[in-house]
Amino acid sequence: QVQLVESGGGVVQPGGSLRVSCTASGFTFSSYGMLWVRQAPGEGLKWVAVIRPDGSNEDYAESVKGRFTISRDNSNNTLYLQMNGLSVEDTAVYYCARAFWSSGWFGDSWGQGTLVTVSS
Amino acid sequence: QVVLTQSPSASASLGASVKLTCTLSSGHTNYAIAWLQQQPETGPRYLMKLNSDGSHSKGDGIPARFSGSTSGADRYLTISSLQSEDEADYYCQTWGSGLVVFGGGTKLTVL
Repeated sequence: QVQLVESGGGVVQPGGSLRVSCTASGFTFSSYGMLWVRQAPGEGLKWVAVIRPDGSNEDYAESVKGRFTISRDNSNNTLYLQMNGLSVEDTAVYYCARAFWSSGWFGDSWGQGTLVTVSS
Repeated sequence: QVVLTQSPSASASLGASVKLTCTLSSGHTNYAIAWLQQQPETGPRYLMKLNSDGSHSKGDGIPARFSGSTSGADRYLTISSLQSEDEADYYCQTWGSGLVVFGGGTKLTVL
């Protein structure tokens, strides 16, 4: 069955950096787009970034553009999110999701998330 | 840019039916959406993709109690024979202008 496991979350100081990972199994990783979505405490889901199956193109939410980088390693079935210049507003649970294309990207399998806390 | 609007809360009795609404902003009323369920302290679960013509494709293992329908700019999720485990947050999601967009979510309480 499809499984997505996020890791790498933790506590980081404002202005710091962190890389979170998502290890995929149970499907052909290189055939799907992948999303990062975050959820601040008590808030709704907010999209962060998407990457195409072959890693050839990415898109970002305006709030993270220029600070975050999404990437993937199809040989190791792993998705990454490099986060630089973190602020307290980036505190959230970060979810990865498998995405299929059907006139748009839609997330059809989701991980359990990893918590990133930005605090001094 | 497309905006998705959802009511913050809804409630219905155990065993009854409930219809949740996701409304697409003007100029985007032909967009498809996906419905997601998020139970407390868990990641989201994909329920279905719902097209503008009302056709929908459900995720693996989603019970027949969950169905989708469309009317104009509105996309509906109907849950029949409500069970206690249906108490959750429900989000709609779409794609437009290179962006993934979520609605604000509806918190469903099963009475």
